[in-house]
Amino acid sequence: QVQLVQSGAEVREPGASLKVSCKASGYTFTDYFIHWVRQAPGQGLEWMGWINSNSGATNYVPKFQGWVTMTRDTSISTAYMELSRLRSDDTAVYYCARTRDRSSPDLGDWGQGTLVTVSS
Amino acid sequence: QSALTQPPSASGSPGQSVAISCTGTSSDVGSYNYVSWYQQHPGKAPKLIIYEVTKRPSGVPDRFSGSKSGNTASLTVSGLQAEDEADYYCISYAGSNNLVFGGGTKLTVL
Repeated sequence: QVQLVQSGAEVREPGASLKVSCKASGYTFTDYFIHWVRQAPGQGLEWMGWINSNSGATNYVPKFQGWVTMTRDTSISTAYMELSRLRSDDTAVYYCARTRDRSSPDLGDWGQGTLVTVSS
Repeated sequence: QSALTQPPSASGSPGQSVAISCTGTSSDVGSYNYVSWYQQHPGKAPKLIIYEVTKRPSGVPDRFSGSKSGNTASLTVSGLQAEDEADYYCISYAGSNNLVFGGGTKLTVL
């Protein structure tokens, strides 16, 4: 079955950077886009963008352009999301999610989430 | 693009039906049949329960149904059960490979 397993919780100081991984299994990694979504404590879901796991092309929400980088390593079926210049309001659970099928924009499978705490 | 508008809360008694709205614009909900709904229980990842406005993934009870009229999509939960208490989010395709999210609705089963 499809599984997306994310890296563990992280604590960072303001101004630092962070890289979250999302290891996929149970399907052909390069056939589906990976999206990244975050959720601040007690808040709603916030879309950050996606990466085409095949070509590596990315599409970032304008708010995150310039400080988020999405990459992938097809040899190990893993997607990454790196955030730089962290601020306290970046404290959130970060999710990766796979599109439901090759041509749909729906998010059919989700990782378990990675809690990122930004605090001095 | 602006977020989709959802009511912050909704409620119903066990066995009743409740509808949650998701209002967008002619650039997103009104233009594409790519509205999806997600259920999120506390501390858990979201789960897809409706896609392409009306379709249910396998394993999702048929108590959950979706519809759309103009720029507004709706999720209806019929025969409410205690386990339906959760947060619900809508997402719409907005063109140019972009998505737009709703702010979420907290459903309480009284």
